[in-house]
Amino acid sequence: DAGITQSPRHKVTETGTPVTLRCHQTENHRYMYWYRQDPGHGLRLIHYSYGVKDTDKGEVSDGYSVSRSKTEDFLLTLESATSSQTSVYFCAISGRNTGELFFGEGSRLTVL
Amino acid sequence: GIQVEQSPPDLILQEGANSTLRCNFSDSVNNLQWFHQNPWGQLINLFYIPSGTKQNGRLSATTVATERYSLLYISSSQTTDSGVYFCAGTIQGAQKLVFGQGTRLTINP
Repeated sequence: DAGITQSPRHKVTETGTPVTLRCHQTENHRYMYWYRQDPGHGLRLIHYSYGVKDTDKGEVSDGYSVSRSKTEDFLLTLESATSSQTSVYFCAISGRNTGELFFGEGSRLTVL
Repeated sequence: GIQVEQSPPDLILQEGANSTLRCNFSDSVNNLQWFHQNPWGQLINLFYIPSGTKQNGRLSATTVATERYSLLYISSSQTTDSGVYFCAGTIQGAQKLVFGQGTRLTINP
């Protein structure tokens, strides 16, 4: 199994509070991705990174920011959480862009 | 943008049956992959199959990129095969994978 760890795995928070999800990998893969999964929408790309300090937006990036200060860590931040951001968030890694993708266990976020 | 259609959306089978899941793209596809999401939510990469045929135990996959489709075959189904199967791919020159909506497979004992 790919060494990908997401934290926290579950979080309940209130509208307007900041939230940070962490993805940690031990595979030294260059590419890291954040997806959200919602019923009826499948998996949608939020942001991705192609190297330290190199990031780009996905299809649903509004309300989210990311940072990658080390190869192994990719952080997803919700500056001011809203109920529409209640979702399951998956981190994924790949050795090359659009290459074979490996997912973390997911983080379930509930915004009340 | 690229459209990905998976069929059937739902499939219910008895243990031991065989099944074929299909993934159609609206344009010629690259980097095609198949994933299984188990009932606990874990997403597992089954195949990275940009073209041709691959087999892994009871599972096999075939991609015909120029015809814009891929097939996932599951033989002698087991209850542990239950879950949702997703395909994903990119069109020529695109930088991001697009996922289908998934096929929900239920294998009854």
